[in-house]
Amino acid sequence: EPEVTQTPSHQVTQMGQEVILHCVPISNHLYFYWYRQILGQKVEFLVSFYNNEISEKSEIFDDQFSVERPDGSNFTLKIRSTKLEDSAMYFCASGGRDRYHYEQYFGPGTRLTVT
Amino acid sequence: KQEVTQIPAALSVPEGENLVLNCSFTDSAIYNLQWFRQDPGKGLTSLLLIQSSQREQTSGRLNASLDKSSGRSTLYIAASQPGDSATYLCAVKESGFGAGTRLTVKP
Repeated sequence: EPEVTQTPSHQVTQMGQEVILHCVPISNHLYFYWYRQILGQKVEFLVSFYNNEISEKSEIFDDQFSVERPDGSNFTLKIRSTKLEDSAMYFCASGGRDRYHYEQYFGPGTRLTVT
Repeated sequence: KQEVTQIPAALSVPEGENLVLNCSFTDSAIYNLQWFRQDPGKGLTSLLLIQSSQREQTSGRLNASLDKSSGRSTLYIAASQPGDSATYLCAVKESGFGAGTRLTVKP
């Protein structure tokens, strides 16, 4: 069964450093998403991506964040200058051919620890 | 802004019981609602997706209902098992996740 994969599973970085989180969505999906979950808190939407551009983003997704689909399979989230409060689980998800009628499938997440 | 609330926050039941988890949302203009389970330290596993035009969806021992006009959805789990122990989340589009109901099923 197809699944969303994410690497690395755990990333430790120092405050101010740049990190790139990697995701491989399900191959025939067209919509891609990033979410984060701070320990013990709700899942929060960051950004959705379709047709090589951002379709929607939340207030959390400020200039420190960017997303890219560098090739036909990968989908990345970059945080330019990490802060302590960026420590969280980051989940990638992919959906079907439109935003509204297809399930979202989540990856296992990357735990980001900023020290 | 869409607010999603899940009640109860935690639930502990003996094995074999039928149970209902509740999800409410403030903006009824939704396209769909999705139920997930999350095991500790893991990602989210999709359980059921209900389109806004549907009233319910079933998968095995799970049944989810949707009443869009009242802003409510329920997840019914029949004959609960210890393996059902997890946190159950409902989500309304991208921006509206509930905080979840942490379910413990005791053998």
